[in-house]
Amino acid sequence: SYELTQPPSMSVSPGQTASIPCSGNELGDKFTSWYQQKPGQSPVLVIYQDYKRPSGIPERFSGSKSGNAATLTISGTQAMDEAEYFCQAWASTTVLFGGGTKLTVL
Amino acid sequence: QVQLQESGPGLVKTSETLSLTCTVSGGSVSSSDFYWGWIRQPPGKGLDWIGSIYFTGRAFYNPSLKSRVAMSVEKSKNQFSLKMNSVTAADTAVYYCARQQWLERGNWFAPWGQGTLVIVSS
Repeated sequence: SYELTQPPSMSVSPGQTASIPCSGNELGDKFTSWYQQKPGQSPVLVIYQDYKRPSGIPERFSGSKSGNAATLTISGTQAMDEAEYFCQAWASTTVLFGGGTKLTVL
Repeated sequence: QVQLQESGPGLVKTSETLSLTCTVSGGSVSSSDFYWGWIRQPPGKGLDWIGSIYFTGRAFYNPSLKSRVAMSVEKSKNQFSLKMNSVTAADTAVYYCARQQWLERGNWFAPWGQGTLVIVSS
């Protein structure tokens, strides 16, 4: 079955760049979205249509895609960016979420 | 700005039916621009899409849940609802409702409700 694959965890030092990958066999043909979820909170959309940023999301968040691999990049990572990040895409008749990547800023 | 709020029982008995409602404020469920979705998250786990519905009643469901799930829209109350029958402990999760933008090549959810924890227990 079709899945979106993310690494379970990553770490980054404050001020550095975090690049969170998401791969899936049909990603190249479909828009990828990204969500940030902090403990005890609802997910928040940070990227949609592969690279677009909703109003209110800091410019340090960006999205890109190459073939069937999408990437969420956080430039100049701050302590407040420590969270779990989920990619999401549409496949045939199903909405898929990646398993999530817990980003630790230390 | 649009806000969504889930409501419903926090405890459901095994084999019974889970019923949740999402109330939309600051926007209309009758908008032709959006779908309305349900997503759940078991404790300590990832996000799992349940289904999405349009104001006309057209709905898409997760194939793995399709046989147990039904969604509906109540335009007069600006609400949409989820019913899931024959629940088991595996259905214990935080249930979120969200507005969904849908284009030909994909869709995304924003904003989300605050979520409601539903525990399934005998």
